[in-house]
Amino acid sequence: GAVVSQHPSRVICKSGTSVKIECRSLDFQATTMFWYRQFPKQSLMLMATSNEGSKATYEQGVEKDKFLINHASLTLSTLTVTSAHPEDSSFYICSARPTLTGGDSPLHFGNGTRLTVT
Amino acid sequence: GESVGLHLPTLSVQEGDNSIINCAYSNSASDYFIWYKQESGKGPQFIIDIRSNMDKRQGQRVTVLLNKTVKHLSLQIAATQPGDSAVYFCAETGYSTLTFGKGTMLLVSP
Repeated sequence: GAVVSQHPSRVICKSGTSVKIECRSLDFQATTMFWYRQFPKQSLMLMATSNEGSKATYEQGVEKDKFLINHASLTLSTLTVTSAHPEDSSFYICSARPTLTGGDSPLHFGNGTRLTVT
Repeated sequence: GESVGLHLPTLSVQEGDNSIINCAYSNSASDYFIWYKQESGKGPQFIIDIRSNMDKRQGQRVTVLLNKTVKHLSLQIAATQPGDSAVYFCAETGYSTLTFGKGTMLLVSP
């Protein structure tokens, strides 16, 4: 159980275009989902916390107008990278925790999206 | 042996050895800790967790030790196998958001 599906797994786009990444909890509901970014050989950096039915909470230094997050249902959060540039190329990973569990339970992660902006 | 790469420290072991991966956490208020394994091109996979009211927890071939006095966490893997080769991250949380450590790459030679 507790499977998180992320789509697409890889995407290549041209500079200036927008890319949408989907994160779905397949067998549980998640009021809160998290979006991370990871550069090669580095750790995961939290970008934002996605809250179902309300605005996302962004970490310091993350542009909310560039990384649009929508959490329209208890099983789906989307991250849209707007007007992508080569420096946005990275590995984006989403995670979720079942709604009925507390903060002392593990997050379940998707398999990530490799974004390459040319 | 253990070496420091560009960003990621690396631990190289022989198959069958025991591996110990260490992690220093920063927030003394954190009360829940998790070890994740990340294989190349994939998301992190849960290995084992421990709450702050414990100092040791064992799973199948893995043991996590927590020393709150020095804010140190370790992951011990018994009889390491080539399939254990991956990057291992510790993560800490107080309630909601999870903060990841820098990670250690484990390389297991047959």
